[in-house]
Amino acid sequence: QTALTQPASVSGSPGQSITISCTGGGSDIGGYNYVSWYQQHPDSAPKLIIYGVTKRPSGVSHRFSGSKSGNTASLTISGLQAADEADYYCASYNSGITFGLFGGGTKLFVL
Amino acid sequence: QVQLQESGPGLVRPSETLSLTCTVSGGSMNDYYWSWIRQSPGKGLEWIGLIYSSGSTKYNPSLGSRVTLSLDTSKNHFSLKLTSMTAAETAVYFCARHKDAAAGPFIFEVWGQGTLVTVSS
Repeated sequence: QTALTQPASVSGSPGQSITISCTGGGSDIGGYNYVSWYQQHPDSAPKLIIYGVTKRPSGVSHRFSGSKSGNTASLTISGLQAADEADYYCASYNSGITFGLFGGGTKLFVL
Repeated sequence: QVQLQESGPGLVRPSETLSLTCTVSGGSMNDYYWSWIRQSPGKGLEWIGLIYSSGSTKYNPSLGSRVTLSLDTSKNHFSLKLTSMTAAETAVYFCARHKDAAAGPFIFEVWGQGTLVTVSS
């Protein structure tokens, strides 16, 4: 497995909620609670917004939440704001030879 | 708070070796894992490898034996060497500090701003 699977893009209107999925397998998402999510604005470094499937680092808005079911993790952003328009990446520890994997990234458009 | 800064050449010739350094300021390197991650233009993130403050390492197997990480905690920096570079490895190279071990593996809490490395003759 070379990458976790994310949709290429999602969109939503200000104030709405959106969910981004991230699908892996039993050696990563399905087997461990070590999923993290990153937000990346253009020409910036990624920023950690969720770790341990559901935990938010200090300073990250409560509008960001994470969950997991089986081999699929999800990031939900509620009360969409224009500033949320960015790329979002999931990541997970992997017990195979790769040690860890990133998703391919999802571009969020706030219409 | 901890800050990371990548440094190194912005241009590397094909088949040559890339050498980058990440300088850590505002905190100690001890008891943390440190990684290099790259992002090709318009593409996703690829983990290159990590090094623990003790010096133990783990690499992305897709890079084979071309990658070497090292660190010098007394100078508060860690380094990446990647041999036999190709044009396809043109990317922004980020260094990152993992979250504390209790939080779990493969969680990148602090990132450098990234440095663009172009592979071209």
